[in-house]
Amino acid sequence: SSELTQDPAVSVALGQTVRITCQGDSLRRYYASWFQQKPGQAPLLVIFNRNNRPSGIPERFSGSRSGDTASLTITGAQADDEADYFCNSRATSGDHLVFGGGTKLTV
Amino acid sequence: QVQLQESGPGLVRPSQTLSLTCTVSGGSIDSGTNYWTWIRRPAGKGLEWIGRVYTTGSTDYNPSLRGRVTISLDTSRGQFSLTLNSVTAADTAVYSCAREQGVAGAPFTGWFDPWGQGTLVTVS
Repeated sequence: SSELTQDPAVSVALGQTVRITCQGDSLRRYYASWFQQKPGQAPLLVIFNRNNRPSGIPERFSGSRSGDTASLTITGAQADDEADYFCNSRATSGDHLVFGGGTKLTV
Repeated sequence: QVQLQESGPGLVRPSQTLSLTCTVSGGSIDSGTNYWTWIRRPAGKGLEWIGRVYTTGSTDYNPSLRGRVTISLDTSRGQFSLTLNSVTAADTAVYSCAREQGVAGAPFTGWFDPWGQGTLVTVS
């Protein structure tokens, strides 16, 4: 079983705000990164170092953390945001990386 | 910009060795604080970090695979490779290579960018 837990599926109405969560003990100590993956495409880094966006990622994507839960928030979801989203972080042991199971976002 | 492409056999027999290569283009494989990483996704399951090789050649592996896995760097060819021994059906997965952007003082960042497209390896 994964050290990071995500809801399998989330839906949001076009233009509304959605929060995708990632829960795990390691998140109390380490930040999560977030990735977007569309069918047939390689994953794309959308948030790193808790709330930093790589060049080209829209401002509507943001990250946060509270306790053992990291969140990816999309403010004003667009149809193009429909994708799988997964988180990662350092493992509780600190000696490797782990991923969440992924959340399928439907817009 | 940097691009990664996996290559290797799509079918491996049980108990044999899985070997894959990732070719890096658009940038130097031995520059910067980059970790060259292998990740896999078994069918119907989440992603699993396999391990990585640093530009110096030093490596880190997932404890669950340690002893069966080797990742190496070939700077002259701009490639890094994955070898996984004694495979079973449980090793059937889509294998992807990725660059982890390192930061001084941070052993792991998890900032994987870019990724390769991934290649399916079936053990049967």
